[in-house]
Amino acid sequence: KAGVTQTPRYLIKTRGQQVTLSCSPISGHRSVSWYQQTPGQGLQFLFEYFSETQRNKGNFPGRFSGRQFSNSRSEMNVSTLELGDSALYLCASSLSSGANVLTFGAGSRLTVL
Amino acid sequence: DAKTTQPPSMDCAEGRAANLPCNHSTISGNEYVYWYRQIHSQGPQYIIHGLKNNETNEMASLIITEDRKSSTLILPHATLRDTAVYYCIVRSNDYKLSFGAGTTVTVRA
Repeated sequence: KAGVTQTPRYLIKTRGQQVTLSCSPISGHRSVSWYQQTPGQGLQFLFEYFSETQRNKGNFPGRFSGRQFSNSRSEMNVSTLELGDSALYLCASSLSSGANVLTFGAGSRLTVL
Repeated sequence: DAKTTQPPSMDCAEGRAANLPCNHSTISGNEYVYWYRQIHSQGPQYIIHGLKNNETNEMASLIITEDRKSSTLILPHATLRDTAVYYCIVRSNDYKLSFGAGTTVTVRA
């Protein structure tokens, strides 16, 4: 059974640009959550999507957005990139919103120059 | 969200049990305790969770005190591959996972 797939694994952008990251959940999983991991702040919750609806949102500015498609695949977008957005972005999938077990992908490492 | 307190680091000898403590004194009655670990350069991996009773699975055991203010994750026979950052998390009622700094566990041969 394939795990959670995140693409791209690595990318470099410059300040002011925007970026879109993709997450394909485990087959049958309908909930996708996104987390940002930085050395200074650790792992922080961004948002969760279930059945194409945002269920929860963390304390991030509006530059961070996401969506989920009917096949449960999810994308997150960061606009007007700042240096501080450099981080590992992790996606996790679960069977449903509130499910006990989250399965994480390997992450997308974003570097903003 | 209930906060958790974990020691920043600990060492363990290969083949021995590793006991990882976690304090969560502000936990509410219906909040679960979760443990995840993150091996370098990988996403976090679910280990175990519990509410009141002790739990055991193929990876670990979770011991929760009767007052639920603390818990201990036990890795029964640590191997070098268990070297990782271990996160103790109390999941809020809106299902978000709030990761703290975790405990860096180093298993030594």
